[in-house]
Amino acid sequence: QKEVEQNSGPLSVPEGAIASLNCTYSDRVSQSFFWYRQYSGKSPELIMSIYSNGDKEDGRFTAQLNKASQYVSLLIRDSQPSDSATYLCAVSNYGGATNKLIFGTGTLLAVQP
Amino acid sequence: EAQVTQNPRYLITVTGKKLTVTCSQNMNHEYMSWYRQDPGLGLRQIYYSMNVEVTDKGDVPEGYKVSRKEKRNFPLILESPSPNQTSLYFCASRLQGAKEKLFFGSGTQLSVL
Repeated sequence: QKEVEQNSGPLSVPEGAIASLNCTYSDRVSQSFFWYRQYSGKSPELIMSIYSNGDKEDGRFTAQLNKASQYVSLLIRDSQPSDSATYLCAVSNYGGATNKLIFGTGTLLAVQP
Repeated sequence: EAQVTQNPRYLITVTGKKLTVTCSQNMNHEYMSWYRQDPGLGLRQIYYSMNVEVTDKGDVPEGYKVSRKEKRNFPLILESPSPNQTSLYFCASRLQGAKEKLFFGSGTQLSVL
Protein backbone atom coordinates (compact mmCIF):
# COMPACT_ATOMS: atom_id res chain seq x y z
CA GLN A 1 0.00 0.00 0.00
CA LYS A 2 1.32 3.43 -0.95
CA GLU A 3 1.70 5.89 1.89
CA VAL A 4 -0.25 8.60 0.07
CA GLU A 5 -2.63 7.59 -2.70
CA GLN A 6 -4.30 9.70 -5.35
CA ASN A 7 -6.17 8.86 -8.50
CA SER A 8 -3.86 9.83 -11.36
CA GLY A 9 -6.70 11.05 -13.56
CA PRO A 10 -7.06 12.88 -15.77
CA LEU A 11 -10.06 14.44 -14.09
CA SER A 12 -11.91 16.45 -16.70
CA VAL A 13 -14.45 19.08 -15.65
CA PRO A 14 -16.18 21.86 -17.61
CA GLU A 15 -15.35 25.47 -16.88
CA GLY A 16 -17.39 26.77 -13.95
CA ALA A 17 -17.95 23.34 -12.38
CA ILE A 18 -16.66 22.03 -9.07
CA ALA A 19 -13.56 19.85 -9.25
CA SER A 20 -13.17 17.30 -6.45
CA LEU A 21 -9.75 15.82 -5.80
CA ASN A 22 -9.20 13.03 -3.28
CA CYS A 23 -6.33 11.61 -1.31
CA THR A 24 -5.93 8.82 1.24
CA TYR A 25 -2.97 8.21 3.52
CA SER A 26 -1.78 5.23 5.52
CA ASP A 27 0.03 6.68 8.57
CA ARG A 28 -2.50 7.33 11.32
CA VAL A 29 -0.17 9.67 13.21
CA SER A 30 0.16 12.11 10.32
CA GLN A 31 -0.19 15.67 11.55
CA SER A 32 -0.22 18.04 8.61
CA PHE A 33 -1.80 17.89 5.18
CA PHE A 34 -1.05 19.96 2.13
CA TRP A 35 -2.25 20.44 -1.42
CA TYR A 36 0.24 21.60 -4.02
CA ARG A 37 -0.48 22.63 -7.58
CA GLN A 38 2.11 21.85 -10.24
CA TYR A 39 2.03 23.08 -13.81
CA SER A 40 3.88 20.96 -16.33
CA GLY A 41 7.65 21.40 -15.98
CA LYS A 42 7.29 23.82 -13.06
CA SER A 43 7.85 23.48 -9.34
CA PRO A 44 5.04 22.61 -6.92
CA GLU A 45 3.22 25.55 -5.38
CA LEU A 46 1.38 25.31 -2.06
CA ILE A 47 -2.30 26.20 -2.35
CA MET A 48 -3.84 24.79 0.83
CA SER A 49 -2.83 23.38 4.19
CA ILE A 50 -5.06 21.75 6.81
CA TYR A 51 -4.24 20.37 10.23
CA SER A 52 -7.51 19.50 11.99
CA ASN A 53 -10.66 17.65 11.03
CA GLY A 54 -13.26 19.55 9.04
CA ASP A 55 -13.22 22.07 6.23
CA LYS A 56 -10.90 24.97 5.50
CA GLU A 57 -11.82 27.49 2.84
CA ASP A 58 -9.60 29.92 0.96
CA GLY A 59 -11.21 31.67 -1.99
CA ARG A 60 -12.35 29.09 -4.52
CA PHE A 61 -10.50 26.29 -2.71
CA THR A 62 -11.78 24.14 0.15
CA ALA A 63 -9.71 21.48 1.84
CA GLN A 64 -11.48 18.77 3.81
CA LEU A 65 -9.84 16.46 6.34
CA ASN A 66 -11.21 13.33 7.99
CA LYS A 67 -8.51 11.75 10.17
CA ALA A 68 -10.72 8.82 11.21
CA SER A 69 -11.06 7.80 7.56
CA GLN A 70 -7.51 8.94 6.72
CA TYR A 71 -8.89 11.00 3.90
CA VAL A 72 -8.21 14.49 2.64
CA SER A 73 -9.82 16.23 -0.30
CA LEU A 74 -9.63 19.46 -2.26
CA LEU A 75 -12.63 21.13 -3.85
CA ILE A 76 -12.15 23.80 -6.50
CA ARG A 77 -15.26 25.86 -7.12
CA ASP A 78 -15.93 27.72 -10.37
CA SER A 79 -13.08 25.86 -12.08
CA GLN A 80 -11.12 27.84 -14.65
CA PRO A 81 -8.91 26.65 -17.51
CA SER A 82 -5.98 28.14 -15.58
CA ASP A 83 -6.66 25.56 -12.85
CA SER A 84 -5.58 22.82 -15.27
CA ALA A 85 -2.54 21.28 -13.58
CA THR A 86 -1.43 18.33 -11.51
CA TYR A 87 -2.51 18.51 -7.88
CA LEU A 88 -0.24 16.85 -5.34
CA CYS A 89 -1.44 15.72 -1.94
CA ALA A 90 1.29 15.75 0.72
CA VAL A 91 1.23 14.41 4.25
CA SER A 92 3.74 15.01 7.01
CA ASN A 93 4.75 13.58 10.32
CA TYR A 94 7.39 16.12 11.22
CA GLY A 95 9.07 15.19 14.44
CA GLY A 96 8.16 11.54 14.06
CA ALA A 97 10.37 8.73 12.85
CA THR A 98 10.18 9.76 9.22
CA ASN A 99 10.41 13.52 9.69
CA LYS A 100 9.49 14.19 6.09
CA LEU A 101 6.75 15.27 3.72
CA ILE A 102 5.35 12.36 1.70
CA PHE A 103 3.79 13.16 -1.65
CA GLY A 104 1.17 11.35 -3.65
CA THR A 105 1.78 10.89 -7.35
CA GLY A 106 -0.73 13.60 -8.19
CA THR A 107 -4.05 13.98 -9.99
CA LEU A 108 -4.09 15.66 -13.37
CA LEU A 109 -6.98 18.12 -13.63
CA ALA A 110 -8.17 19.33 -17.03
CA VAL A 111 -10.73 22.15 -17.08
CA GLN A 112 -12.49 22.31 -20.42
CA PRO A 113 -13.45 25.81 -21.69
CA GLU B 1 12.60 38.29 -2.71
CA ALA B 2 12.37 35.09 -0.66
CA GLN B 3 13.38 32.21 -2.85
CA VAL B 4 15.15 28.91 -3.37
CA THR B 5 17.61 29.12 -6.24
CA GLN B 6 18.71 26.04 -8.13
CA ASN B 7 21.28 25.85 -10.88
CA PRO B 8 21.47 24.80 -13.61
CA ARG B 9 17.90 24.65 -14.94
CA TYR B 10 18.82 22.10 -17.59
CA LEU B 11 21.79 19.75 -17.67
CA ILE B 12 22.82 17.09 -20.17
CA THR B 13 25.80 14.95 -19.26
CA VAL B 14 27.33 11.57 -19.94
CA THR B 15 27.59 8.50 -17.76
CA GLY B 16 30.29 8.74 -15.12
CA LYS B 17 31.02 12.45 -15.33
CA LYS B 18 30.72 13.96 -11.86
CA LEU B 19 28.29 16.84 -11.51
CA THR B 20 26.92 19.16 -8.86
CA VAL B 21 23.53 20.83 -8.74
CA THR B 22 23.57 23.87 -6.51
CA CYS B 23 20.79 25.01 -4.21
CA SER B 24 20.67 28.18 -2.17
CA GLN B 25 17.93 29.76 -0.05
CA ASN B 26 17.75 33.27 1.38
CA MET B 27 15.07 32.68 4.04
CA ASN B 28 17.32 31.43 6.86
CA HIS B 29 15.56 28.06 6.78
CA GLU B 30 16.95 25.26 8.93
CA TYR B 31 15.51 22.43 6.86
CA MET B 32 16.52 21.71 3.26
CA SER B 33 15.77 18.73 1.07
CA TRP B 34 16.29 17.27 -2.39
CA TYR B 35 13.58 15.47 -4.36
CA ARG B 36 13.49 13.77 -7.71
CA GLN B 37 10.32 13.55 -9.75
CA ASP B 38 9.65 10.81 -12.27
CA PRO B 39 6.45 10.05 -14.24
CA GLY B 40 4.17 7.74 -12.29
CA LEU B 41 6.41 7.81 -9.22
CA GLY B 42 5.80 11.30 -7.96
CA LEU B 43 8.19 13.28 -5.79
CA ARG B 44 10.65 11.12 -3.89
CA GLN B 45 13.02 12.45 -1.28
CA ILE B 46 16.72 11.89 -1.89
CA TYR B 47 18.38 13.54 1.12
CA TYR B 48 17.43 16.11 3.70
CA SER B 49 19.19 18.30 6.22
CA MET B 50 17.81 19.54 9.51
CA ASN B 51 20.61 22.10 9.98
CA VAL B 52 24.25 22.83 9.24
CA GLU B 53 26.37 19.65 9.23
CA VAL B 54 23.26 17.50 9.80
CA THR B 55 22.14 15.41 6.82
CA ASP B 56 20.16 12.20 6.46
CA LYS B 57 19.01 9.83 3.77
CA GLY B 58 15.58 10.01 2.24
CA ASP B 59 13.86 7.30 0.24
CA VAL B 60 16.21 7.12 -2.75
CA PRO B 61 19.73 8.18 -1.67
CA GLU B 62 21.76 5.68 -3.73
CA GLY B 63 24.13 7.38 -6.13
CA TYR B 64 23.83 10.82 -4.54
CA LYS B 65 25.77 12.85 -2.00
CA VAL B 66 24.98 16.09 -0.22
CA SER B 67 26.70 18.47 2.12
CA ARG B 68 25.50 21.28 4.38
CA LYS B 69 28.49 23.39 5.31
CA GLU B 70 26.50 26.62 5.40
CA LYS B 71 22.89 27.20 6.34
CA ARG B 72 21.92 28.68 2.98
CA ASN B 73 23.50 26.10 0.64
CA PHE B 74 22.69 22.44 0.06
CA PRO B 75 24.37 21.09 -3.08
CA LEU B 76 23.48 17.73 -4.63
CA ILE B 77 26.42 15.75 -5.96
CA LEU B 78 26.32 12.88 -8.42
CA GLU B 79 29.77 11.31 -8.29
CA SER B 80 29.20 8.93 -11.21
CA PRO B 81 25.89 9.65 -12.91
CA SER B 82 24.01 6.86 -14.63
CA PRO B 83 21.08 6.98 -17.08
CA ASN B 84 18.62 5.94 -14.34
CA GLN B 85 19.35 9.27 -12.66
CA THR B 86 17.77 11.11 -15.54
CA SER B 87 14.99 13.00 -13.79
CA LEU B 88 13.57 16.35 -12.72
CA TYR B 89 15.19 17.45 -9.46
CA PHE B 90 13.83 19.91 -6.93
CA CYS B 91 15.48 21.51 -3.95
CA ALA B 92 13.21 22.71 -1.16
CA SER B 93 13.49 24.43 2.19
CA ARG B 94 11.36 25.39 5.18
CA LEU B 95 11.54 26.48 8.77
CA GLN B 96 11.39 23.75 11.42
CA GLY B 97 7.91 22.81 12.57
CA ALA B 98 5.09 20.54 11.47
CA LYS B 99 3.03 23.32 9.91
CA GLU B 100 5.73 25.13 8.03
CA LYS B 101 5.39 25.64 4.29
CA LEU B 102 7.90 23.93 2.02
CA PHE B 103 9.38 26.28 -0.59
CA PHE B 104 10.59 24.73 -3.84
CA GLY B 105 13.29 25.78 -6.25
CA SER B 106 12.49 26.00 -9.96
CA GLY B 107 13.88 22.55 -10.71
CA THR B 108 16.76 21.01 -12.64
CA GLN B 109 16.03 18.75 -15.58
CA LEU B 110 18.93 16.31 -15.76
CA SER B 111 19.60 13.96 -18.67
CA VAL B 112 22.36 11.37 -18.35
CA LEU B 113 23.32 9.80 -21.68
